[in-house]
Amino acid sequence: DGGITQSPKYLFRKEGQNVTLSCEQNLNHDAMYWYRQDPGQGLRLIYYSQIVNDFQKGDIAEGYSVSREKKESFPLTVTSAQKNPTAFYLCASSIRASGGPANTGELFFGEGSRLTVL
Amino acid sequence: DAKTTQPTSMDCAEGRAANLPCNHSTISGNEYVYWYRQIHSQGPQYIIHGLKNNETNEMASLIITEDRKSSTLILPHATLRDTAVYYCIVRVVGITGGGNKLTFGTGTQLKVEL
Repeated sequence: DGGITQSPKYLFRKEGQNVTLSCEQNLNHDAMYWYRQDPGQGLRLIYYSQIVNDFQKGDIAEGYSVSREKKESFPLTVTSAQKNPTAFYLCASSIRASGGPANTGELFFGEGSRLTVL
Repeated sequence: DAKTTQPTSMDCAEGRAANLPCNHSTISGNEYVYWYRQIHSQGPQYIIHGLKNNETNEMASLIITEDRKSSTLILPHATLRDTAVYYCIVRVVGITGGGNKLTFGTGTQLKVEL
């Protein structure tokens, strides 16, 4: 079945270490997104990519980096520069981001990765 | 994207209709209303969206007021599995400047009880 797979589901890291979260989709979607969620809060956009080899900063990009070398994959690296990295990270995808009646604007989300910094 | 206002929490008895309100008084003519829900520790799930007409699918109904300044999501027969945070979001679909990125607020925590 088509969908979005995030891994790992749970991750622990020591302060000062970089960590990379994986996001893979087989929905043939052009656009992919990374969100962060803190307890009791809504989702905040970190980065998004509308097409391969292109990505834009979201609202809270500082301390994070991404790459989009393949359509199916959009990994997120949480660097040591991120001051409060402990959070729930969600990846999403959608069909081509610009125009067209087929674009309903619906986002498809993965199950999330919970990162804890010790 | 227009800002939305939702109650922080609501309770509903199992088997009854759950009516979740959302205010979006600054909505623009080309902005859609979207509803997502998030069950604890899972990714959000799309429920329904609409522009100005009422919409219904297998999960829920969406009622949008004539002036489009508010809407209500209706779960006709709530079950315990409908306990989740429900997000109301408004945005323009497919603008090239921002893709389909959505801005999620804190939503409404719906608790369905026996």
